[in-house]
Amino acid sequence: GQQLNQSPQSMFIQEGEDVSMNCTSSSIFNTWLWYKQDPGEGPVLLIALYKAGELTSNGRLTAQFGITRKDSFLNISASIPSDVGIYFCAGRQGAQKLVFGQGTRLTINP
Amino acid sequence: DAMVIQNPRYQVTQFGKPVTLSCSQTLNHNVMYWYQQKSSQAPKLLFHYYDKDFNNEADTPDNFQSRRPNTSFCFLDIRSPGLGDAAMYLCATSGRVRWDYNEQFFGPGTRLTVL
Repeated sequence: GQQLNQSPQSMFIQEGEDVSMNCTSSSIFNTWLWYKQDPGEGPVLLIALYKAGELTSNGRLTAQFGITRKDSFLNISASIPSDVGIYFCAGRQGAQKLVFGQGTRLTINP
Repeated sequence: DAMVIQNPRYQVTQFGKPVTLSCSQTLNHNVMYWYQQKSSQAPKLLFHYYDKDFNNEADTPDNFQSRRPNTSFCFLDIRSPGLGDAAMYLCATSGRVRWDYNEQFFGPGTRLTVL
């Protein structure tokens, strides 16, 4: 089946640092979604991408839909304590179900 | 605000005792999903409804059933919960636009404990 490789699996950073994470696939996707999940809560949609090469921002978050349609990137600038959580990428082809990455756990040292 | 609501947030049941989890949405979305999420793992799709059409995933155990009596509500029934069914259960919705589905919006989840 389709798989998404999300990296890194975990990150330990200092408050104020920038963060980068990515997802790659052997298959082409036409939608990329990035979610953040806090402990004990459901995933919250951060950014949705629909077009190859698309670069979209949401506050301090910026995500890009890779030109090859097989990857996507999420950057967080100037991290703050509330950025702590697990970030999931998810991709979809057409009306197929979402395929999730394994998540990136972000920990921030104040 | 339009949203996805799950009740209860925490559910404790006994081994083998049937349990029902509920989900409601005010987004007027025609697609509703149920996911199972175990600790530190990605959500795993169990099944979804496209309007009234039920779509089961091939690897979803028969122990899991679902009902969607109307657009707003969807239920997850676990007929005989086992210890391995302890997990977070997430409901999500999406609205179909043209040939593709929109983004999926998740509820806060129900944490199921099986004793």
